[in-house]
Amino acid sequence: AQTVTQSQPEMSVQEAETVTLSCTYDTSESDYYLFWYKQPPSRQMILVIRQEAYKQQNATENRFSVNFQKAAKSFSLKISDSQLGDAAMYFCAYTPNAGGTSYGKLTFGQGTILTVHP
Amino acid sequence: NAGVMQNPRHLVRRRGQEARLRCSPMKGHSHVYWYRQLPEEGLKFMVYLQKENIIDESGMPKERFSAEFPKEGPSILRIQQVVRGDSAAYFCASSPRPGRHNEQFFGPGTRLTVL
Repeated sequence: AQTVTQSQPEMSVQEAETVTLSCTYDTSESDYYLFWYKQPPSRQMILVIRQEAYKQQNATENRFSVNFQKAAKSFSLKISDSQLGDAAMYFCAYTPNAGGTSYGKLTFGQGTILTVHP
Repeated sequence: NAGVMQNPRHLVRRRGQEARLRCSPMKGHSHVYWYRQLPEEGLKFMVYLQKENIIDESGMPKERFSAEFPKEGPSILRIQQVVRGDSAAYFCASSPRPGRHNEQFFGPGTRLTVL
């Protein structure tokens, strides 16, 4: 069974600084997707960034980038130039690209609460 | 293009009552996923449906919970005889199809409180 682990229940960062959120996962699949979702106090789930396992290049989206280490099964999120609006719960998620009934089913980590200090 | 819609946003039920949660996927999306988020926890997969078919219900509790996605109308998650442990946020997500560009679009969630 696939599992996703976020070992940092809480993190904090000063505005304009950089912070890295950790995520590890366990799977026997070779082709899959990894995601970071943001959940602000409104509880709306917002996709931050997506990584396809068969791509070696790390995904980037403006101030957000990932460090994808496939062999180590590690998928960390780096937020540069942190802003007050980045404060939220962040979830790492995994889904296989193997077809069958598990197609598209997301497995989430426990979440990391990010606080941004002005 | 409206996003995924869920209603009601908040639902209060007494123990033993029934809860019906509705999800309207984005236009053109025929795949719906339901997730449950207990307090202070991550989202947990419950069920995956396509129009008129349940594809994967491995995350659904064996009793009291059911889901459907009819040919016409929204997807419904139904909880019979609710108990306090059912209090949670229930999220629906939709996608046009699972595949290489496998992004799920989430609704705002329904927060169920069981008194």
